Parts: sequence; C-alpha cells; structure tokens
Amino acid sequence: AQSVTQPDIHITVSEGASLELRCNYSYGATPYLFWYVQSPGQGLQLLLKYFSGDTLVQGIKGFEAEFKRSQSSFNLRKPSVHWSDAAEYFCAVVGYNNNDMRFGAGTRLTVKP
Amino acid sequence: GAGVSQTPSNKVTEKGKYVELRCDPISGHTALYWYRQSLGQGPEFLIYFQGTGAADDSGLPNDRFFAVRPEGSVSTLKIQRTERGDSAVYLCASSPRDGYGYTFGSGTRLTVV
Repeated sequence: AQSVTQPDIHITVSEGASLELRCNYSYGATPYLFWYVQSPGQGLQLLLKYFSGDTLVQGIKGFEAEFKRSQSSFNLRKPSVHWSDAAEYFCAVVGYNNNDMRFGAGTRLTVKP
Repeated sequence: GAGVSQTPSNKVTEKGKYVELRCDPISGHTALYWYRQSLGQGPEFLIYFQGTGAADDSGLPNDRFFAVRPEGSVSTLKIQRTERGDSAVYLCASSPRDGYGYTFGSGTRLTVV
C-alpha cells in the first residue's frame, strides 16, 4: 500500500522568506500526489495535485510542487511566504489502482513577522 | 449543494453511547470517503464508497464502526459503544467517478466524555 512521510513536524519561517515543505512517498508505480492546507478549525483545502505530465505543478495561493520520481518526493514550495500561510500542510498520495488517499502526518508552518 | 456538508459540526457524547455522523456529498459525486483525524495527526482513511457499496472498509478500526450509503448519496458513519479514544474530527470527502477531485467537508468534531 502507498504511504507518505513528511519529515518536518514544525517549520518556522519569516514573512517574505521562501518556503519548502518536504514530502516523500512510497508506492510501486507513479502515484497521484496532492498537497492540502488546513487552517485551525477548518477543513482541508486542496493546494495542488499531480497526476502526470509536467513534473512542476502550479497551485493556488502562489504554491508550487515538483514531482521527482528518482527521489520519490513531491516537495511544496513558495517563493515568498505571507503571514496568512500559517497553517498545517498535508501531503497525500493515491495509488493508481485504488481510491483511498493516504496522508502524511502534516507539517505545521509558523510565520514570523 | 456546492460543497460537502457534514452534520453535526460538533458532537459531545457520553462513553458507551451510540452516535451517527452524516455526510452529504457534492451532487453527482459517486465516490465518498470517510477519514478520522486525531489531534496533531494527518487524516486516517476509514472507508470508501463507490455508489451504494463499500469498496474498501479496511480502515475501520473495529466492529463498533459502521457506515452506510443506501441511496448512493448521503452517507452515515455509525459508532456504537463509543470510547474516549474515538474522540477526533471525522472528515468526509467526495469525488467524481472519473477523477480524483477530492473535496472535503469541514468535519464533525466528536468528543466522548
């Protein structure tokens, strides 16, 4: 079965600084990959997804992610973080032949003024 | 409706009681998923429906948990003899049959006291 690892439990960045959140997946073939954001008390909002094609995926709110097959990674990036980006970020994977999405444990992002 | 609706948004129940959590998916979405999210954790897969049938219920933790989707639309997650360890946010998501456009509801926060 597929699985996801998010190595960083908590990251703090200064407003305006760049951001990279790490995600590694385990799956025997090319999976479908997702990044979600969750603000306190809110539901999960889809930032971006990768199914196939261009390995650099653009999402909402200025986020992007790059699929690297050789590293089994799908890291999330943003060139300049805003205070409103403070939230919990989840990477998720769905295997090609099934439909249950598996999530990582999440990375909590704190933004310093 | 426009999004996935979950009711109630909050539920407090006593240990040993029975609870039902409702999910109303996006109209036309044939796939429906239940997840459980404990504090500080990523969402954990419980069960997936395609139409009326449970295509994968491997995530249900034990036989106290049961879910139905009798008409292929609204789903109810049922928990018998609730335990304090069942306290969590229960998330529902739906997607079109032919795409992985998961949309999550805001969740039901269940507290067992």
